Amino acid sequence: AQSVTQLDSHVSVSEGTPVLLRCNYSSSYSPSLFWYVQHPNKGLQLLLKYTSAATLVKGINGFEAEFKKSETSFHLTKPSAHMSDAAEYFCVVSEGAGYSSASKIIFGSGTRLSIRP
Amino acid sequence: DADVTQTPRNRITKTGKRIMLECSQTKGHDRMYWYRQDPGLGLRLIYYSFDVKDINKGEISDGYSVSRQAQAKFSLSLESAIPNQTALYFCATSDPGQAGWRTGELFFGEGSRLTVL
Repeated sequence: AQSVTQLDSHVSVSEGTPVLLRCNYSSSYSPSLFWYVQHPNKGLQLLLKYTSAATLVKGINGFEAEFKKSETSFHLTKPSAHMSDAAEYFCVVSEGAGYSSASKIIFGSGTRLSIRP
Repeated sequence: DADVTQTPRNRITKTGKRIMLECSQTKGHDRMYWYRQDPGLGLRLIYYSFDVKDINKGEISDGYSVSRQAQAKFSLSLESAIPNQTALYFCATSDPGQAGWRTGELFFGEGSRLTVL
């Protein structure tokens, strides 16, 4: 069975400092992994995705994530935080094991990122 | 204009009332989903539909029903609303494409906030 764990419910960093949002997953198959961002009163937007190509994935707004199979991790990073990065971030694991793959998309519980001026 | 549009964006209702949340999309995707978001729980799948004639229950379908009126329209109904159905509801679409069924990338509406008193 697959699962995804976001290790921090809330992360607070100062503007201009690095961001690290942690995600661990469990999957019986080779998974696809995603990070989505949700700004207040908005829907979720895809930041980046890993689908068995390069293990270091670059996304929008300077974010990137590295797939580490040995550690079953997919942590999201950004070198320098900006005030506009304040939002909720979701790690998602997907197993495309067949036609019914909709039931195999699992969301983490989310990490709220706050940016201090 | 948004690719995935949800109406209403906000609704307050009373226990026992029937409520319908509507979703329409212009992305041309066959697959549509309804999710529920609760604080600290991430997103949980209520129902999904892979085409007009295919509707499937998700992990938390009890108390909900859906209707896929057309490829572009997918409605969620609460036949008799109860307070623990107070939540933020999201409609999403996906496009399998050549390998998209395996990637699980979702495109979200901006959400419908429902409060049941």
